[in-house]
Amino acid sequence: GQNIDQPTEMTATEGAIVQINCTYQTSGFNGLFWYQQHAGEAPTFLSYNVLDGLEEKGRFSSFLSRSKGYSYLLLKELQMKDSASYLCAVRFSSSGSARQLTFGSGTQLTVLP
Amino acid sequence: GAVVSQHPSWVICKSGTSVKIECRSLDFQATTMFWYRQFPKQSLMLMATSNEGSKATYEQGVEKDKFLINHASLTLSTLTVTSAHPEDSSFYICSDSGNSYEQYFGPGTRLTVT
Repeated sequence: GQNIDQPTEMTATEGAIVQINCTYQTSGFNGLFWYQQHAGEAPTFLSYNVLDGLEEKGRFSSFLSRSKGYSYLLLKELQMKDSASYLCAVRFSSSGSARQLTFGSGTQLTVLP
Repeated sequence: GAVVSQHPSWVICKSGTSVKIECRSLDFQATTMFWYRQFPKQSLMLMATSNEGSKATYEQGVEKDKFLINHASLTLSTLTVTSAHPEDSSFYICSDSGNSYEQYFGPGTRLTVT
């Protein structure tokens, strides 16, 4: 299968740094996405990694290691509004459509004051 | 990024009736659109891939006769939930195929079947 694993829940304090991990099956890997989703809303795009290394975008960074089938999303200077579900999604070349995404179960992040 | 709209944003219907949800790609011609379903506190599950001018491709376990998909133009795909039942109550989200780096999601439709 195309299992994508990420922690179900995480809690952190306002102003702190949190790292959300995601592991996936390496066979057929063709890109990894992170999305943020607030309750009752559609996901919003955060980052895209297809090559190894760190992609930094403001307070958010995403890392990828293709050989290990591993990614993380790093959130710095946490704010209360960062409380949301964070979805790791992978594009596999074996999928029916070239642009089809397979989503992990999501990590519910709670930021405490 | 591209803008995707959905209509309605929420709908309540009685068991046994049918509901149509529209997904429009407003500034991008999408030959392919995706339909997802999301139950509370769960992730997005792909239901089907909508292909302009041809039949949709359904994921395993999704009944094609219950979830009718029509993609008659490059900017519009519709999902009709036929003979809806309470267990069909969910958050339905569409997306267009976007580009290599991003997939654009609609705002979602909350369906409640009573």
